[in-house]
Amino acid sequence: KAGVTQTPRYLIKTRGQQVTLSCSPISGHRSVSWYQQTPGQGLQFLFEYFSETQRNKGNFPGRFSGRQFSNSRSEMNVSTLELGDSALYLCASSEAGGDTQYFGPGTRLTVL
Amino acid sequence: GENVEQHPSTLSVQEGDSAVIKCTYSDSASNYFPWYKQELGKRPQLIIDIRSNVGEKKDQRIAVTLNKTAKHFSLHITETQPEDSAVYFCAARWAAGNKLTFGGGTRVLVKP
Repeated sequence: KAGVTQTPRYLIKTRGQQVTLSCSPISGHRSVSWYQQTPGQGLQFLFEYFSETQRNKGNFPGRFSGRQFSNSRSEMNVSTLELGDSALYLCASSEAGGDTQYFGPGTRLTVL
Repeated sequence: GENVEQHPSTLSVQEGDSAVIKCTYSDSASNYFPWYKQELGKRPQLIIDIRSNVGEKKDQRIAVTLNKTAKHFSLHITETQPEDSAVYFCAARWAAGNKLTFGGGTRVLVKP
C-alpha cells in the first residue's frame, strides 16, 4: 500500500495570510491525526479526525482547524498566520481500532 | 495535564555499545507507548511500541520496558551501529482515539 502523503511539501506565506494543508492517509485508514513539529516545542498534537468527526483536539488556538472528507483525506487550515506558526506539519494515519500511527513526510511551512 | 518527559536530550555512544533512553509520564491512565525514530529531514518512523498490559517487548537489537507503578518506560538499543544515529521520540496515549503526547526527543550519535 502507498504510504501517507502530504501536499504541498513546502510552503512560504506571509503574516496574516491563511494556508490549507492536505493529507491522504494509507488506504483503508480512517483515523488522521495532525501534529506540529518545531525545534523549541517538539512534536505537539493538533487534532484527530475519525470518520469525518473530530475526535480529539490539542491546545492550539482557534486559528487552527481541520476537517476530514468521506474518503478519509484530511485538510488542516491555519488562518491569520503568525511567525510562530513556522513549523513542520505532520499528519499520521491509523486503522480503526489500531494503535500504530504512520506519519507522512510533512509540510514545511515558513511564515515571513 | 498530560506530560511526557524524556532524558537525556542528547546521547553519544561508541559503535557497539548500548544506548538507553528514559521517559516518564504523568497520567496513570495511559495505555500505549510507542517509540519513533526520526532521521534528519525524514518522517518519524515507529520502531517499537508497548501496551500497558505488557512489561517488556523486544525486537532484535531494540527493547522497551514499562514500569507502570513508577510511570516510566525505557528504550534500549544494543550493539549500536552508525545507522542508529537519529532523534528518538517516546510518546504516550491517554484518551480514546489516537492523541499522542510526545517527549522532547533524544538526539543519538553513534560514533564509529
